[in-house]
Amino acid sequence: DAKTTQPTSMDCAEGRAANLPCNHSTISGNEYVYWYRQIHSQGPQYIIHGLKNNETNEMASLIITEDRKSSTLILPHATLRDTAVYYCIVRPRPGNRDDKIIFGKGTRLHILP
Amino acid sequence: GAGVSQTPSNKVTEKGKYVELRCDPISGHTALYWYRQSLGQGPEFLIYFQGTGAADDSGLPNDRFFAVRPEGSVSTLKIQRTERGDSAVYLCASSLTLSSGYNEQFFGPGTRLTVL
Repeated sequence: DAKTTQPTSMDCAEGRAANLPCNHSTISGNEYVYWYRQIHSQGPQYIIHGLKNNETNEMASLIITEDRKSSTLILPHATLRDTAVYYCIVRPRPGNRDDKIIFGKGTRLHILP
Repeated sequence: GAGVSQTPSNKVTEKGKYVELRCDPISGHTALYWYRQSLGQGPEFLIYFQGTGAADDSGLPNDRFFAVRPEGSVSTLKIQRTERGDSAVYLCASSLTLSSGYNEQFFGPGTRLTVL
């Protein structure tokens, strides 16, 4: 079973920041938080990951609470192309042999024009 | 550069038939994964290869499903005696195996299998 809880769906206006929450209250000390997204009819695409510090890349920012029990993915200026299902995933530290991804149902994000 | 490719993109077959789905990983990626995605669900892990060997096949639903990767590159997922419940999108992913640093999985576009 997935170790994360996400809202089923969210709407966001184009040009605004999209904030996608994720709860992972049972995360252990050596587990990372990863985010992937899946645009319709495509395979999942990696977005960002983090352990305990906030992270930012060209796609998004990841804010992890101090107790690591929840996180928020932020798309700073959402566009229509960001409409997708967003998966929050907890995984062991990189390089672990048990490397499969356990996906939940994710959050279906609709960007509204 | 070329990403993960999967063929065919769509496969329609009849109940009871045998099918093979092919995955070409990114060149040089030693790890290869198969997932299955049913409508409205997230991808579900099936099997993971490290080189030629299956490191984890715990996700294969039953013995009708089998996968090979004989030369450590291309992989084939084989399904015998297909059932209507096997209808899904079959996703393949590959990654480098690193002793440190994250090993992002790159996914292909999937093969949509429909069993009539």
